Amino acid sequence: AQKVTQAQTEISVVEKEDVTLDCVYETRDTTYYLFWYKQPPSGELVFLIRRNSFDEQNEISGRYSWNFQKSTSSFNFTITASQVVDSAVYFCALSERGRGGGSQGNLIFGKGTKLSVKP
Amino acid sequence: DAGVTQSPTHLIKTRGQQVTLRCSPKSGHDTVSWYQQALGQGPQFIFQYYEEEERQRGNFPDRFSGHQFPNYSSELNVNALLLGDSALYLCASSFQDRSQYFGPGTRLTVT
Repeated sequence: AQKVTQAQTEISVVEKEDVTLDCVYETRDTTYYLFWYKQPPSGELVFLIRRNSFDEQNEISGRYSWNFQKSTSSFNFTITASQVVDSAVYFCALSERGRGGGSQGNLIFGKGTKLSVKP
Repeated sequence: DAGVTQSPTHLIKTRGQQVTLRCSPKSGHDTVSWYQQALGQGPQFIFQYYEEEERQRGNFPDRFSGHQFPNYSSELNVNALLLGDSALYLCASSFQDRSQYFGPGTRLTVT
């Protein structure tokens, strides 16, 4: 069975601190996809990144970076120099390979980590 | 370029009633998925529609049904509402099996 665990329920930091959100996943599939979404108080899930299981290169996008390690089944997310606007709930998600070769429909989400960045 | 839109924003219904939620996908997307998000939890997959057919379904009872129209928009219907159906209902669209983009959601309260 597939499962995503986000052990950190809530994290509070002061602006400009670096923060890492942990994500551990379980799957028996050899091909799968990992995602991070941000959910601000408005409720809309904002897509941040998608990663294929066969691509373990780390990725950096501005202040955001992602560390994918298949050996430990982890896909951690780091925000550098956090800002108040980063305050939100962050979800890690997993999906199997779909018929078309991309990610399948059923995203399996973790319970989320609530990040509060204080000025 | 409009993103995923959902209506209504909020809805209050009484136990036992029926409700219909609507979703318009992002331009260029042909696949719609529906999720239920209870308070303090991650979203849970209800079902996915592609080419006007239900392609995949999560662990939800038959009270939850859906439809996709030729213009790719979609409806989620829930019959015989229970108090436990109170949640944020999220619609996501994608182009086939590519990454899913979510709408703002419909907050359903069942009293």
